[in-house]
Amino acid sequence: TQLLEQSPQFLSIQEGENLTVYCNSSSVFSSLQWYRQEPGEGPVLLVTVVTGGEVKKLKRLTFQFGDARKDSSLHITAAQPGDTGLYLCAGRIYGQNFVFGPGTRLSVLP
Amino acid sequence: EADIYQTPRYLVIGTGKKITLECSQTMGHDKMYWYQQDPGMELHLIHYSYGVNSTEKGDLSSESTVSRIRTEHFPLTLESARPSHTSQYLCASSDPESGETEAFFGQGTRLTVV
Repeated sequence: TQLLEQSPQFLSIQEGENLTVYCNSSSVFSSLQWYRQEPGEGPVLLVTVVTGGEVKKLKRLTFQFGDARKDSSLHITAAQPGDTGLYLCAGRIYGQNFVFGPGTRLSVLP
Repeated sequence: EADIYQTPRYLVIGTGKKITLECSQTMGHDKMYWYQQDPGMELHLIHYSYGVNSTEKGDLSSESTVSRIRTEHFPLTLESARPSHTSQYLCASSDPESGETEAFFGQGTRLTVV
């Protein structure tokens, strides 16, 4: 069974600060996704990365897929209260189901 | 924007009742999933389907059952609800035709069994 680990588990920061959260595994994934989930809602897809070393930007969010396709990071610049939520990473090995990490719960204080 | 819908959003029901959680998607995706998620906890796969007439059990054992009579519809049924079934249930779909690189989720059903 593949496991995805995420760190930190909890993060509380002030508005305007930068932060990075991590997603790590010993498995190689054919694709990796990042989702944001708000309380009582379903996860919303932010990005998918498929190529080792790939970097994608979504406004103030920068996503990177590790060269070996075993890990990923999410960097948020100048965090805003609207960024508050549970950030989930999920990986998929071809032919298998998605594997979800436990998430990083981010709180951005005004 | 993903077109996958779950009803009801919230359900409070008494022990022993039979319930069906509905999930429909309009994207034509063959593969669909049901996840269970307790507050603040990770997602656990309880059922999935490769397409019509296909149903498989997921990683987490569940007393619920599913059916897939139509591509767009993947309902989950609990024959006799118990307080231990209280949780959030999330439905998702993905498209094997495009490499199945991402899953799209519904808004979830928060079930409380009293």
